[in-house]
Amino acid sequence: EAQVTQNPRYLITVTGKKLTVTCSQNMNHEYMSWYRQDPGLGLRQIYYSMNVEVTDKGDVPEGYKVSRKEKRNFPLILESPSPNQTSLYFCASSNSETQYFGPGTRLLVL
Amino acid sequence: AQSVTQLDSHVSVSEGTPVLLRCNYSSSYSPSLFWYVQHPNKGLQLLLKYTSAATLVKGINGFEAEFKKSETSFHLTKPSAHMSDAAEYFCVVSVPSGGYQKVTFGTGTKLQVIP
Repeated sequence: EAQVTQNPRYLITVTGKKLTVTCSQNMNHEYMSWYRQDPGLGLRQIYYSMNVEVTDKGDVPEGYKVSRKEKRNFPLILESPSPNQTSLYFCASSNSETQYFGPGTRLLVL
Repeated sequence: AQSVTQLDSHVSVSEGTPVLLRCNYSSSYSPSLFWYVQHPNKGLQLLLKYTSAATLVKGINGFEAEFKKSETSFHLTKPSAHMSDAAEYFCVVSVPSGGYQKVTFGTGTKLQVIP
């Protein structure tokens, strides 16, 4: 089954404690991206990757890092999380036309 | 640059009545347009997409949308609302940009269906 998976699905952490949210896709897509969803703001793109070792900033990249060492994986890294990064995060991978979204990761930073 | 405006943050309809969720876009290039639905505490599901073929697009669950270039609109409609349609809906525009597709989401419209 074609899918995008994210882990963990829920995470509570404290300010400054580094964390990583993993994302994996099995559709051999070159393009992957991360979004955060906040009430009233829709989804905003954090980072995207056009292929292995090719990443770039989206609209709200501050406080985040990514890596793309393999085609299927695109982890999101918060080196020093802060409360304003409390949000719902979605990973997506896409072909030339359509994005496929993961189930989301709900993060609470205390 | 591109943008998407969902004209209503909340829409309330009675079960069995028509649904209209409005979306306007701006884009320097011919866009692809999408509608996604998000049920409470769920992920995003693709409802339908327009990619320069037929201007009237039919999607899942009885939804459809019409691309109107002259009005820069892509409104989502359904003839008869069902309780299970209660969710948040996102209009999305996608345009080519430097070898990939630049995607912009609208801020969402919450649909309430009253029994």
